[in-house]
Amino acid sequence: SAVISQKPSRDICQRGTSLTIQCQVDSQVTMMFWYRQQPGQSLTLIATANQGSEATYESGFVIDKFPISRPNLTFSTLTVSNMSPEDSSIYLCSVGYRGDVNTEAFFGQGTRLTVV
Amino acid sequence: DAKTTQPPSMDCAEGRAANLPCNHSTISGNEYVYWYRQIHSQGPQYIIHGLKNNETNEMASLIITEDRKSSTLILPHATLRDTAVYYCIVRAFTSGTYKYIFGTGTRLKVLA
Repeated sequence: SAVISQKPSRDICQRGTSLTIQCQVDSQVTMMFWYRQQPGQSLTLIATANQGSEATYESGFVIDKFPISRPNLTFSTLTVSNMSPEDSSIYLCSVGYRGDVNTEAFFGQGTRLTVV
Repeated sequence: DAKTTQPPSMDCAEGRAANLPCNHSTISGNEYVYWYRQIHSQGPQYIIHGLKNNETNEMASLIITEDRKSSTLILPHATLRDTAVYYCIVRAFTSGTYKYIFGTGTRLKVLA
């Protein structure tokens, strides 16, 4: 299993500003993902964070709005840029191990972001 | 990516078995079915997963139909603490990596 620490756990931000969310894992993992969960909704995959290269974004998400870094196998950041109230959501980091057998993903507790 | 379909909500009496269905009719032969639950906006918690055989662990059982187009999560003796949103997920392999794509989930309410 993997223990995931996300910081901050919550924040209230002014529109037009940016927030960087950190995800630290207690062990080396192959895959790191970022999800968004809007109020009352399911989780939507934003991107896969790739070590040493640009993240792979899902349809509807762009690097300019959600830049992601992953400098090593245990750490990643997600920045929510130029925020608007529509960005108010829970942002979750998830990690997994590449392989075909018995590989579940693990989730952090999320960062609850409110944009005012 | 395979898509999952779940009923939006279900009720279950405490102590009874909760049977949560999921349809994944477009699943590919090597794609696993995963179940997670989320309690009150906490991070999703892993429950169980399987490929084509039925699986059981200390939390639940997973029954996958022979054609793999649907599955059922069974909580054998539901308690109030099992009240949560349950997500059925197909782990897709695309662009050289695995992705866990969430459906809309089933909100299970266990009643005293």
